[in-house]
Amino acid sequence: SQQGEEDPQALSIQEGENATMNCSYKTSINNLQWYRQNSGRGLVHLILIRSNEREKHSGRLRVTLDTSKKSSSLLITASRAADTASYFCAQGTSGSRLTFGEGTQLTVNP
Amino acid sequence: GAVVSQHPSWVICKSGTSVKIECRSLDFQATTMFWYRQFPKQSLMLMATSNEGSKATYEQGVEKDKFLINHASLTLSTLTVTSAHPEDSSFYICSAWATGGQETQYFGPGTRLLVL
Repeated sequence: SQQGEEDPQALSIQEGENATMNCSYKTSINNLQWYRQNSGRGLVHLILIRSNEREKHSGRLRVTLDTSKKSSSLLITASRAADTASYFCAQGTSGSRLTFGEGTQLTVNP
Repeated sequence: GAVVSQHPSWVICKSGTSVKIECRSLDFQATTMFWYRQFPKQSLMLMATSNEGSKATYEQGVEKDKFLINHASLTLSTLTVTSAHPEDSSFYICSAWATGGQETQYFGPGTRLLVL
């Protein structure tokens, strides 16, 4: 399978805490993207990090990329109950294909 | 931001019938659209790449005669599940790749299919 792996599969934290999710992939990438999916809904694009970038920020989100380890992490700081969702990393390769990781189910308890 | 719509949002059908799902890019042109399938509590699996004006490219293991894709215009791709069976019940999501070389795909809200 070309799918990447994400860990943890499930994460439960209290509001205000930080949440860190990790993603590993297997093939060379052009970019790596993170998406959010609320239960039964479509995907929302969160952030894209290119293969020549190491870190990127967007609001409360911080993404890192280590191409030597073929891994990425997503950090959500000061989490809120509304951040409860599934989070997926997706590897962008040539031809605009996206290969999704298995996802992390984040639950933020109020 | 760019918007992609899907219709219907959910459908229930009898086994053996065909179901058509539409994916539209509302405010941009998309030469390429993608169709994904997602089972409960699982990730998205790419089924096929839909190219405007040409045949779709199917992923390994996806039956092209079972899942018919038509991308007749720059804003519309359709997925038809032919002779649907209960095992085809799933969440189908499309995404569109904006022409102009942007790296982001925009996802539709998904269509939930239940085959009885």
